[in-house]
Amino acid sequence: QTVVTQEPSSSVSPGGTVTLTCGLSSGSVSTDNYPDWYQQTPGQAPRTLIYNTNIRSSGVPHRFSGSILGDKAALTITGAQADDESDYYCVLYMRDASRVFGGGTKLSVL
Amino acid sequence: QVQLQESGPGLVNPSETLSLTCVVSGASISNYYWSWVRQASGKGLEWIAFIHYTSGSTNYNPSLRSRATISVDTSKNQVSLKLSSVTAADTAVYYCARDLGRGGGFGPWGQGTLVTVSS
Repeated sequence: QTVVTQEPSSSVSPGGTVTLTCGLSSGSVSTDNYPDWYQQTPGQAPRTLIYNTNIRSSGVPHRFSGSILGDKAALTITGAQADDESDYYCVLYMRDASRVFGGGTKLSVL
Repeated sequence: QVQLQESGPGLVNPSETLSLTCVVSGASISNYYWSWVRQASGKGLEWIAFIHYTSGSTNYNPSLRSRATISVDTSKNQVSLKLSSVTAADTAVYYCARDLGRGGGFGPWGQGTLVTVSS
């Protein structure tokens, strides 16, 4: 079964830049996987940040950006703020139309 | 504004069938894909299934395909999920979400409903 990989945890200083990645256990992530990124705080439903690789959802600050870096999808936060401390999930779309979430990255801002 | 509201039994006995509903307001359920996603406590998100009423298309997480059934009731504008032969491992918050497919992402999401499998 397809496994989508994410860093379990990451950290960034306030005002700093951090890149979270989303890969495949076998193979490369491309725009054909239409990667999305979601932010989730405890007790809340996920919030859409980025869809289709690099399109910001309505109301999402410009400090969030999506891209493909090498063989992975990437979410970059430029100028991190304290309230960016959350869990971040990517999801990839497979050839068979199934969706697979990554395990999530817990981001600390400190 | 599209809104989703999940509901479920709260507590289910092991080996029984879990039934969840998600009532959609602000959009016709016939026009979109709809997905169920779950999250066990302290764990990540897990996609379960999607359905598109108009095309009759459904798709399931391979690990749950044998036990899950997703359906739509257009008269009630709701999407449902049944999961059979549940175990403690199925204890989770279950979310429904509009699924805009490849290139569209999930959104909006319901607030989720907690299901505990226990005797």
